Amino acid sequence: GAVVSQHPSRVICKSGTSVKIECRSLDFQATTMFWYRQFPKQSLMLMATSNEGSKATYEQGVEKDKFLINHASLTLSTLTVTSAHPEDSSFYICSARIAGGHTNEQFFGPGTRLTVL
Amino acid sequence: AQSVAQPEDQVNVAEGNPLTVKCTYSVSGNPYLFWYVQYPNRGLQFLLKYITGDNLVKGSYGFEAEFNKSQTSFHLKKPSALVSDSALYFCAVRSYNTDKLIFGTGTRLQVFP
Repeated sequence: GAVVSQHPSRVICKSGTSVKIECRSLDFQATTMFWYRQFPKQSLMLMATSNEGSKATYEQGVEKDKFLINHASLTLSTLTVTSAHPEDSSFYICSARIAGGHTNEQFFGPGTRLTVL
Repeated sequence: AQSVAQPEDQVNVAEGNPLTVKCTYSVSGNPYLFWYVQYPNRGLQFLLKYITGDNLVKGSYGFEAEFNKSQTSFHLKKPSALVSDSALYFCAVRSYNTDKLIFGTGTRLQVFP
């Protein structure tokens, strides 16, 4: 149980286009999902916390207008990278917390590798 | 502010030998501590966590970690390493009053046959 999927797993796009990444909790409901970014050989940096039905909370330094987050249901959150540029190339990972659960554990998706040409 | 330190970028160990991957933390209040493993181009897999209770926590794949409050450490250990344990390991901390996980910089474990 507690499986999180991401789609697509890999995407290559041209500079200036927008890319949408989906994060789904497959067998549980998640009121809270998190979006992370990981640069090569570096740690995960939290970008934003996404709560179902409300606006996402962005970390300092993350542009909310560039990284649009929508958490419209208890099983789906999306991250849209708008007007992507090569510096946005990275590995994006989402995680989800079980709604109403007692555990503090986050379950991570497999990640999406974005390459902007 | 919360922080996690993993002082070693890489740990090399021979198969069959014990391994230790170090982690120290700084957090206000009682910490929630986690270890995750990441294989190439994959997301993070949960290994184990400490919330409360026994200081020695046992997790997946034979890994364990010991919470040491006085030394603010949560080192990951395994009695006998396998080549398949070779991966990137992340320690993470979360304060009791926040949702956010703060990750260390990661330690690459290389187990040689």
